Amino acid sequence: KQEVTQIPAALSVPEGENLVLNCSFTDSAIYNLQWFRQDPGKGLTSLLLIQSSQREQTSGRLNASLDKSSGRSTLYIAASQPGDSATYLCAPSGGATNKLIFGTGTLLAVQP
Amino acid sequence: NAGVMQNPRHLVRRRGQEARLRCSPMKGHSHVYWYRQLPEEGLKFMVYLQKENIIDESGMPKERFSAEFPKEGPSILRIQQVVRGDSAAYFCASSTGGVGNTEAFFGQGTRLTVV
Repeated sequence: KQEVTQIPAALSVPEGENLVLNCSFTDSAIYNLQWFRQDPGKGLTSLLLIQSSQREQTSGRLNASLDKSSGRSTLYIAASQPGDSATYLCAPSGGATNKLIFGTGTLLAVQP
Repeated sequence: NAGVMQNPRHLVRRRGQEARLRCSPMKGHSHVYWYRQLPEEGLKFMVYLQKENIIDESGMPKERFSAEFPKEGPSILRIQQVVRGDSAAYFCASSTGGVGNTEAFFGQGTRLTVV
């Protein structure tokens, strides 16, 4: 059974800092992994999709890496901005039908 | 191309009533997933459907909950005889293929409150 852990649970940083969010998962037999952000009271916005054959993906100030064999992914956010404040969710595929399995997220607050 | 559309955005039901939540996937998407998010908890998988088929319902409670994705029209998550513990945000996602291979996109959710 796929289980996902995200560390830290919460993070508060001043604007401009570079930061790293961590995700670990127990079943390395994944097809892909997605990172999402969720703003309070809103839905999920897809940030990055990493296929299992890839080691990283980049979109703007975001870079996600995947080490499938060790069951880890990291999301790197460069030059953080107050608008980056949200909950960040990691979701590797898992189970017999490869559905997305979510961690509990990292709540990020970027202080102006 | 509109995103995944869920309605209603907010739904209030009295205990014992039925709740119907609708999800229209993105154009061209034939795979739909329902998740539930309880207050202060993560998203929990409920059910995975393709047109007219339930592929995986391993996360669905055995009683009172059902889901369908008909050939025409939106996917429906139905909760009969709601109880206070059903109060949660229900999210729908869609993709072109199974999420093992393709990107999933989520709707804004339906927030169900049972009073």
